[in-house]
Amino acid sequence: GAGVSQSPSNKVTEKGKDVELRCDPISGHTALYWYRQSLGQGLEFLIYFQGNSAPDKSGLPSDRFSAERTGGSVSTLTIQRTQQEDSAVYLCASSHAGGPTREQYFGPGTRLTVT
Amino acid sequence: AQSVTQLDSHVSVSEGTPVLLRCNYSSSYSPSLFWYVQHPNKGLQLLLKYTSAATLVKGINGFEAEFKKSETSFHLTKPSAHMSDAAEYFCVVTISGAGSYQLTFGKGTKLSVIP
Repeated sequence: GAGVSQSPSNKVTEKGKDVELRCDPISGHTALYWYRQSLGQGLEFLIYFQGNSAPDKSGLPSDRFSAERTGGSVSTLTIQRTQQEDSAVYLCASSHAGGPTREQYFGPGTRLTVT
Repeated sequence: AQSVTQLDSHVSVSEGTPVLLRCNYSSSYSPSLFWYVQHPNKGLQLLLKYTSAATLVKGINGFEAEFKKSETSFHLTKPSAHMSDAAEYFCVVTISGAGSYQLTFGKGTKLSVIP
């Protein structure tokens, strides 16, 4: 079946602009995660959605970052007033349910470059 | 708090020789541990996971890992490397039963396989 999809695959933007990154999780997966992968920092957790519960936003690096998940499916990660240090690959993952033992299925990522 | 340390940033082996990728973890609670693999320009894929059942865990593509609580280790091994194993490998820890559903990733180990 279809895996996790993300769009766009690549995004180049100018410093100060806002960007939106989209994630389509696997159908039926109730949990959705965003991560950031950058050189020197490895993979960092950003935010976690589980069903209708309030999201865990503890990994968001600043208030310029926000995310929403509409209808328990598609999610959008928004970065406002982008900075060069926001350049990274943003990964989305989903799982059947939340929980620390669940396998997460990752999308291919969106490579964001801020010039 | 939880953390994971991958002891080698880069490992190089000859095709047909054993692979050992080392991982040590720190967790205040009973951990769940994972190994993920990321091939170039591909998404992260789960290799195997430990969730407090058998301490020797077998995964895909001939990989296995042994959970050693006394050594706080979860090293990944394979008896015979194949060219297709060249990729980056991530050791991941999360907490069981503490209400946290994030994954904490190691910095990654890049595996090169020499023909």
